[in-house]
Amino acid sequence: DIVLTQSPATLSLSPGERATLSCRASQYVASYIAWYQQRPGQAPRLLIYDGFNRATGIPDRFSGGGSGTDFTLTISSLEPEDFAVYYCHQRSDWFPTFGQGTRLEIK
Amino acid sequence: EVQLVESGGGLVQPGGSRRLSCSASGFTFSSSGMHWVRQAPGKGLEHVAVIAYNGDDTYYAESVKGRFTISRDNLDNTLYLQMTSLRTEDTATYYCVKDAYHTGRGWFDPWGQGVLVTVSS
Repeated sequence: DIVLTQSPATLSLSPGERATLSCRASQYVASYIAWYQQRPGQAPRLLIYDGFNRATGIPDRFSGGGSGTDFTLTISSLEPEDFAVYYCHQRSDWFPTFGQGTRLEIK
Repeated sequence: EVQLVESGGGLVQPGGSRRLSCSASGFTFSSSGMHWVRQAPGKGLEHVAVIAYNGDDTYYAESVKGRFTISRDNLDNTLYLQMTSLRTEDTATYYCVKDAYHTGRGWFDPWGQGVLVTVSS
């Protein structure tokens, strides 16, 4: 299975700041990376698919980048509702896998 | 609006069985790959199983292979997860998830609200 390693495990920032989250794959996955946000007590929701495509209804402060094995999720200016856990997911391999998550907390 | 509603969770003894159901609406269920993804309390996401649109292809995580069975009823718009030989480490919230592709090889959107399965004596 392809292992996804997210960094940092926890990111402490203030509203209005820029957040950059990383996801590294153990093998080449082209651009087949998606990002999900999970707020406390809620199910995950899709933010970005296939590397850089925003899902329907996702604000443009969220952007995805990278290809091959290294990917980033950037939130340009943090809103209070953005403080949550973020997961990357690869669909390149026959069996999908998730990263362990990055917790974005208020500083 | 796409809706996925899971049911069937609860407390189960180790070694026991449970069947989860997911009722789908708001999209053409028979054209969509579907997944079960679980999350142990306070932990990350783990993909459990996937089934293609017609039920012909299924894949399982190694941790559940031989114990869990994913299936679907395209006439009733329902996804199932039959769980047997349950272990304490199967305790988790189980999410029903729609795939973007009919094969089940796409991204996951949307997710159901989840159902908690607790395996304990």
